[in-house]
Amino acid sequence: QSVLTQPPSASGTPGQRVTISCSGSSSNIGNRFVNWYQQFPGTAPRLLISKNDQRPSGVPDRFSGSKSGTSASLAISGLRSEDEADYYCAAWDESLSGVLFGGGTKVTVL
Amino acid sequence: QVQLVESGGGVVQPERSLRLSCIASGFRFSNDAMHWVRQPSGKGLEWVAVIWYDGSVTHYAESVKGRFTISRDNSKNTVYLQMNSLRAGDTGLYYCVRDPSGSGWAFESWGQGTLVTVSS
Repeated sequence: QSVLTQPPSASGTPGQRVTISCSGSSSNIGNRFVNWYQQFPGTAPRLLISKNDQRPSGVPDRFSGSKSGTSASLAISGLRSEDEADYYCAAWDESLSGVLFGGGTKVTVL
Repeated sequence: QVQLVESGGGVVQPERSLRLSCIASGFRFSNDAMHWVRQPSGKGLEWVAVIWYDGSVTHYAESVKGRFTISRDNSKNTVYLQMNSLRAGDTGLYYCVRDPSGSGWAFESWGQGTLVTVSS
């Protein structure tokens, strides 16, 4: 029931810049903060970006977030092999009174 | 440091009940909202429920509304998820998640999860 739409996959070579989009609506992204999570296989997700563009302590500055209207993006610059993971966007939805996650994007480093 | 330890998962038959618990430490539990998020094997994340810092407000995903109940005991630093009328679609890893006040619904800390399998 994801109403936050992400591409299922993205890829790049080491050193490249990869961007992941997250599309929503006025009831979620349009009027709420977007948060991003990174998840490696067999581990719990970790917060990567909060409040659209804030990096928690310990997150490399290669990761950046942005939001415009009802869409948001996560960018990974200087891609590294250790960035291979699943990435999820999320936002509160006012109509549903709940948190919505995007379907997730698997990033592959070629 | 912050720790969230879930327990209570297991194998249960359809229509039966299960109660999950999550014990928190390393932060002022009574200040923060707490959530449950689940993930079926090999699939994406699905938000399940939230409870306000003082237990005054709860919200649920449509898929569990009327069947699941989230609650907390701030004196025990524990949040619970009572799951009734379980279905096969409820199978997955259930994470307990901390949502600090003012975080903008950012899930700052996650437990390691407890596995729920609904099967006859």
